[in-house]
Amino acid sequence: AQKITQTQPGMFVQEKEAVTLDCTYDTSDPSYGLFWYKQPSSGEMIFLIYQGSYDQQNATEGRYSLNFQKARKSANLVISASQLGDSAMYFCAMRPNTNAGKSTFGDGTTLTVKP
Amino acid sequence: GAVVSQHPSRVICKSGTSVKIECRSLDFQATTMFWYRQFPKKSLMLMATSNEGSKATYEQGVEKDKFLINHASLTLSTLTVTSAHPEDSSFYICSVGTENTEAFFGQGTRLTVV
Repeated sequence: AQKITQTQPGMFVQEKEAVTLDCTYDTSDPSYGLFWYKQPSSGEMIFLIYQGSYDQQNATEGRYSLNFQKARKSANLVISASQLGDSAMYFCAMRPNTNAGKSTFGDGTTLTVKP
Repeated sequence: GAVVSQHPSRVICKSGTSVKIECRSLDFQATTMFWYRQFPKKSLMLMATSNEGSKATYEQGVEKDKFLINHASLTLSTLTVTSAHPEDSSFYICSVGTENTEAFFGQGTRLTVV
């Protein structure tokens, strides 16, 4: 069984500052992928960043980076230079490589960027 | 452009009627699609795995007869909420995934049963 834990129901950040959204996971699968998605109020799920369990380097995608600490089973999302448009709900998700597409999601973190 | 198209985006129906939601994979053939349900400000809960040409696999606690899934082709899966009741009101979203890529989500369907 897999479990994703996001301990921050809500976060606030000042515009242009960086923010870290926490995510820890638990799995018995030896090979898996970790994902972060953004869900604005419209409801669509927007893919942000991916980290493979065997990747040696932390993933980065523009202003997004993933702080992957495998031994601690954490995959925190760092958003640099926050923008007002970053205000949304953010989900951490995991998927075993043996089961394409079947993802387990955390409870989400609502991020509010203050002007 | 969109990889997965979900329709309709919003639907309001009367209690007791059935509602069909379509999920189309636009860019590739999908033997497997996934249906999730999401309550306001909550996480996505997997309802079922839709398998092309065979029966769907439902998660524990999901009523098969209430939520009918049909995956008749490699690009289309449908979720029918039968005899809908107000407690079925929710946000339903489908996804398609392949190995080594992120899951691609449809735009979601907001169902309101009155």
